[in-house]
Amino acid sequence: GAVVSQHPSRVICKSGTSVKIECRSLDFQATTMFWYRQFPKKSLMLMATSNEGSKATYEQGVEKDKFLINHASLTLSTLTVTSAHPEDSSFYICSAAPAEGQRNQPQHFGDGTRLSIL
Amino acid sequence: AQTVTQSQPEMSVQEAETVTLSCTYDTSESDYYLFWYKQPPSRQMILVIRQEAYKQQNATENRFSVNFQKAAKSFSLKISDSQLGDAAMYFCAYRSGGTSYGKLTFGQGTILTVHP
Repeated sequence: GAVVSQHPSRVICKSGTSVKIECRSLDFQATTMFWYRQFPKKSLMLMATSNEGSKATYEQGVEKDKFLINHASLTLSTLTVTSAHPEDSSFYICSAAPAEGQRNQPQHFGDGTRLSIL
Repeated sequence: AQTVTQSQPEMSVQEAETVTLSCTYDTSESDYYLFWYKQPPSRQMILVIRQEAYKQQNATENRFSVNFQKAAKSFSLKISDSQLGDAAMYFCAYRSGGTSYGKLTFGQGTILTVHP
């Protein structure tokens, strides 16, 4: 089945560091990818929708200069948390829309990245 | 905008018993999809079951089934013969149909505890 690889799975770094998270679709081309943020025992909140070759669409309240999203190829989207601070600590999950022509199929999720800013 | 509501923050069930998780949603669209996802402590998102709005028949996947009431905008999940491995956080989710692949809107989640 379709697989999405998210890397790294865990990051611990100092305040002020920029952190890049990668989301790769391993066996299909993903025109659209999604980035979510999740706090403990809370729901997934969509941060942005990433479309290959174009600018990401950010949800209301998400700082686009803080959370940089790049979707340069059909198999890779990256989320960079710039100048991270402790309040950015969270669980980040990506998902990829299935290949073209499979609109009725569900998204494929990565395993998530636990980000801890000291 | 669409909204999804899960009114049960926590539920518990005895092993081998049946439990039903509630979900309601609000939409003006006629073409959409509904999902139940399971998130165990590992925090992987696991698709449990899905339903296309145009299908009247309720979806079933082994011990998991849904009660889809389109007019009432209700989409509950029934877990039969509950197992310890069913313990997790469960999310109901909505996705629009249409020509482009839409985003998922999640409910607040329900934490399910299974007692041996």
